[in-house]
Amino acid sequence: EDQVTQSPEALRLQEGESSSLNCSYTVSGLRGLFWYRQDPGKGPEFLFTLYSAGEEKEKERLKATLTKKESFLHITAPKPEDSATYLCAVQASRNQFYFGTGTSLTVIP
Amino acid sequence: EPEVTQTPSHQVTQMGQEVILRCVPISNHLYFYWYRQILGQKVEFLVSFYNNEISEKSEIFDDQFSVERPDGSNFTLKIRSTKLEDSAMYFCASRASEGQPQHFGDGTRLSIL
Repeated sequence: EDQVTQSPEALRLQEGESSSLNCSYTVSGLRGLFWYRQDPGKGPEFLFTLYSAGEEKEKERLKATLTKKESFLHITAPKPEDSATYLCAVQASRNQFYFGTGTSLTVIP
Repeated sequence: EPEVTQTPSHQVTQMGQEVILRCVPISNHLYFYWYRQILGQKVEFLVSFYNNEISEKSEIFDDQFSVERPDGSNFTLKIRSTKLEDSAMYFCASRASEGQPQHFGDGTRLSIL
């Protein structure tokens, strides 16, 4: 069964304290892994797509990496405005997407 | 920047009534999706739509649900006879082509009384 698991469920960081979020997946025929940011009351906002093991993408303080079993979202020197829920989603071999439960990140000034 | 728009933002309906949720995807996009998110739970795939037909659907998308693209711009989700457990946030998403990311609307909060 295709599954996506994210950890931790919640993370509190001091401003400037770097950390990583994990997304583990088991899908048949991965076509892509996607990271999204979701603010309260809003839809998911696209951050990155990763397609193959070893691939990395960066945007400002965020860096996403991918292995054959998991992806990491590294947050370097976070700011309070980085507070949000970060969602991981995978596209399986069909035109179907599976989301994890997300990591709720709080960055304290 | 073009965006996916959903209306209404909040819909309150009596149990057993039909409800139609509306979405305007980004204009040059070819793939369309509906998801739901029950409060505190994960975003769940409902259905994908491509080339004027359903491409994939999940176990959640039973006979009570239907989708339609009635014209060149709208994409709708109909729930025929709503149940209490249909209360959730419903998100529409679209993407331009294979390999491109989905872009989401801000959702419709559906409350069934």
